[in-house]
Amino acid sequence: DAGVIQSPRHEVTEMGQEVTLRCKPISGHDYLFWYRQTMMRGLELLIYFNNNVPIDDSGMPEDRFSAKMPNASFSTLKIQPSEPRDSAVYFCASSFGVLNTEAFFGQGTRLTVV
Amino acid sequence: GENVEQHPSTLSVQEGDSAVIKCTYSDSASNYFPWYKQELGKGPQLIIDIRSNVGEKKDQRIAVTLNKTAKHFSLHITETQPEDSAVYFCAASNSGGSYIPTFGRGTSLIVHP
Repeated sequence: DAGVIQSPRHEVTEMGQEVTLRCKPISGHDYLFWYRQTMMRGLELLIYFNNNVPIDDSGMPEDRFSAKMPNASFSTLKIQPSEPRDSAVYFCASSFGVLNTEAFFGQGTRLTVV
Repeated sequence: GENVEQHPSTLSVQEGDSAVIKCTYSDSASNYFPWYKQELGKGPQLIIDIRSNVGEKKDQRIAVTLNKTAKHFSLHITETQPEDSAVYFCAASNSGGSYIPTFGRGTSLIVHP
């Protein structure tokens, strides 16, 4: 397996534009997580899915953020409209099972909103 | 919810020295403690983990210790090498609860040749 695949790796956009980040989890994994990493706040969990169903989105900062998982092999994180303070590295991770197991992270998407 | 504190935020050592990173957690129900290493431009990757039924675990130059009574756990790296330079994250989770790990803020380790 190629691991968790995220696209794009880098995104530069203007304030007010819509941004869509994409993630392909490892095949067979039933949990998918979206994290945001900044210097100020470290790694923050935004939302996670179990079997394609959103379980906890309490970490999503504002209504401008939304996430979907239409099937087991694809998820998106959308920001609309984007703001400069959304600039960060966004990671997608996946894992298998309800027991404590390793989370496999993608390479991340570095988002810059100017 | 769980709260994980990690120290120090930065750690600079000479090659060959040992490095120790410490974490504390607040939820006594937490029972799984993974450590992740994040190299520049990459996502975090699991390097070692420990469960609450053991006090210590080793893997070559890396070891992790857990003190459940004091609610703290530590990562020990011996004979550090320049390639150990990275950001290290500790985490804690509870298989009886949401199980989702709570991460520490990270430690930037720099190993000088």
